Amino acid sequence: AQKITQTQPGMFVQEKEAVTLDCTYDTSDQSYGLFWYKQPSSGEMIFLIYQGSYDEQNATEGRYSLNFQKARKSANLVISASQLGDSAMYFCAMREGIRYSTLTFGKGTMLLVSP
Amino acid sequence: DAGVIQSPRHEVTEMGQEVTLRCKPISGHDYLFWYRQTMMRGLELLIYFNNNVPIDDSGMPEDRFSAKMPNASFSTLKIQPSEPRDSAVYFCASSPDRDPEAFFGQGTRLTVV
Repeated sequence: AQKITQTQPGMFVQEKEAVTLDCTYDTSDQSYGLFWYKQPSSGEMIFLIYQGSYDEQNATEGRYSLNFQKARKSANLVISASQLGDSAMYFCAMREGIRYSTLTFGKGTMLLVSP
Repeated sequence: DAGVIQSPRHEVTEMGQEVTLRCKPISGHDYLFWYRQTMMRGLELLIYFNNNVPIDDSGMPEDRFSAKMPNASFSTLKIQPSEPRDSAVYFCASSPDRDPEAFFGQGTRLTVV
């Protein structure tokens, strides 16, 4: 079974609008961390935001927020006020266990922001 | 710190040749990961080290692939002999023990012709 599922291969949004990228995960560990990374066309992997399984508040970093619903095992990324520079591939990822061992990625969602 | 440094950035080699990819993690980081990214398979974890010790190499595709971490500041991923299907972007990432965030290098784009 896939540990990280991103069901949206591609998403389109207009500049200045908000967009939600979906991510569901599967783990039996009580302690885990969820991440979102951005990969622009230049290829580098850029860390965006992190949510720990014990964090009660949803993580926020500037225009990025993580909508964490533990019971549903979902960790959706919300980008507010989209900008043209947000066009990129977005990956959801998870590290499991107290010692945060391996980092497993989903297949990614391609986001295109139009003017 | 300069971040995770990978070399070379691009490598073009002929089928059958040996290829060595290099990675310098961020100083003080205890975990080092090697990933391969292709259009078909996405980001695959090949192997990861903790304190220079290989912990999980179940993602290494076959015996042609080997990885070493002789010290805390250097790791290599070797493919011998290389095949066209090994063409991909190879990423190295590192993270500290107490902080879950992993920092990625710029990647090495490998083309085997």
